[in-house]
Amino acid sequence: NAGVTQTPKFQVLKTGQSMTLQCAQDMNHNSMYWYRQDPGMGLRLIYYSASEGTTDKGEVPNGYNVSRLNKREFSLRLESAAPSQTSVYFCASSRAYEKLFFGSGTQLSVL
Amino acid sequence: EDKVVQSPLSLVVHEGDTVTLNCSYEVTNFRSLLWYKQEKKAPTFLFMLTSSGIEKKSGRLSSILDKKELFSILNITATQTGDSAIYLCAVEAMSGGGADGLTFGKGTHLIIQP
Repeated sequence: NAGVTQTPKFQVLKTGQSMTLQCAQDMNHNSMYWYRQDPGMGLRLIYYSASEGTTDKGEVPNGYNVSRLNKREFSLRLESAAPSQTSVYFCASSRAYEKLFFGSGTQLSVL
Repeated sequence: EDKVVQSPLSLVVHEGDTVTLNCSYEVTNFRSLLWYKQEKKAPTFLFMLTSSGIEKKSGRLSSILDKKELFSILNITATQTGDSAIYLCAVEAMSGGGADGLTFGKGTHLIIQP
């Protein structure tokens, strides 16, 4: 019963470095999402993938890229990290029009 | 642009009190409204509401949706310290793809004092 698994849990980057956040779900969900959460801002959608092979921008996509590697995996890449990308990142998955299941989050600090 | 506004943003009450959390929304082609509880890490699902006037209930928690007035409330009765959390309201719009994600409010930070 792993659900949604995100790695890493914590990461510190220097400005300009790149990294990839990994996400995998074992619930056979078609849809996967990446959100960021900042203090006082709620959760904001970065990118989503309605099904394998498709990705779409959410509310705050600038500075990020995604890859839906297969039905299980959806990765988020920061090509050149900036301090404004310091945040907690959540991956989620769902069946269409059903509740989202969230991973445990990645706390990212960009110095 | 879809919009979700929660109030209050923070609330401190004593154990045993009853609290009401509010969520108003503006969304094109509304489909559902969801409530989540967030303690330390991942949000956990509480309720999904799609029909107006129907109350969803789970133990001491209940929620109702008013589609005409575009709001929902989450009630917690006989609060306990374990209810301390951020409560998130989110709305889902109907779309062709069926998976555009949820639009979240900023959350209500609820603190229950012993």
